[in-house]
Amino acid sequence: AQSVTQPDIHITVSEGASLELRCNYSYGATPYLFWYVQSPGQGLQLLLKYFSGDTLVQGIKGFEAEFKRSQSSFNLRKPSVHWSDAAEYFCAVGAGDDKIIFGKGTRLHILP
Amino acid sequence: DTAVSQTPKYLVTQMGNDKSIKCEQNLGHDTMYWYKQDSKKFLKIMFSYNNKELIINETVPNRFSPKSPDKAHLNLHINSLELGDSAVYFCASSRGQGEGEAFFGQGTRLTVV
Repeated sequence: AQSVTQPDIHITVSEGASLELRCNYSYGATPYLFWYVQSPGQGLQLLLKYFSGDTLVQGIKGFEAEFKRSQSSFNLRKPSVHWSDAAEYFCAVGAGDDKIIFGKGTRLHILP
Repeated sequence: DTAVSQTPKYLVTQMGNDKSIKCEQNLGHDTMYWYKQDSKKFLKIMFSYNNKELIINETVPNRFSPKSPDKAHLNLHINSLELGDSAVYFCASSRGQGEGEAFFGQGTRLTVV
């Protein structure tokens, strides 16, 4: 069965520092991969997605993610975080059966 | 225009009551979902409908009954509410087949007292 693992429950970085949020998936075929962000009290907003092609995908708000098939990973990166990036980040996989499975999320804290 | 809208945004009710949450999408998507987000922020799929047909039912108690009058609407009715039903419920829609990104509503915070 497909699954998504986000090994870090909380991540704290200083404003202006670089960021990498980890995501590993389990799925037999080529997955559809997503990163969503949830700000406090808000719904989920799509940051970026990978379906096929270039394994480095660019998203909104300066985020990017790289699909590495050999590592079953889809890590999210940002070169320089802003205080407004503090939020909950969810990695998700779409498995072609009308199901999108989410990881348990990583809470990002930003130090001033 | 809001792409996926759900109402109400907040719902406080007593144990044993029956309540409904409504969801509508104007994106022309074929697939709609209900997710439950618990106090630890874990998002778990409950149901998925494609063109008004139930596709996924993830071992949700039968007190939860989704209803899709047309492919733009997916309502969630909950009977005999229990304390453990307190959570944020998100409606979402996508093109379907798991490859289209899901668009989420703003959530309904259900509190059972």
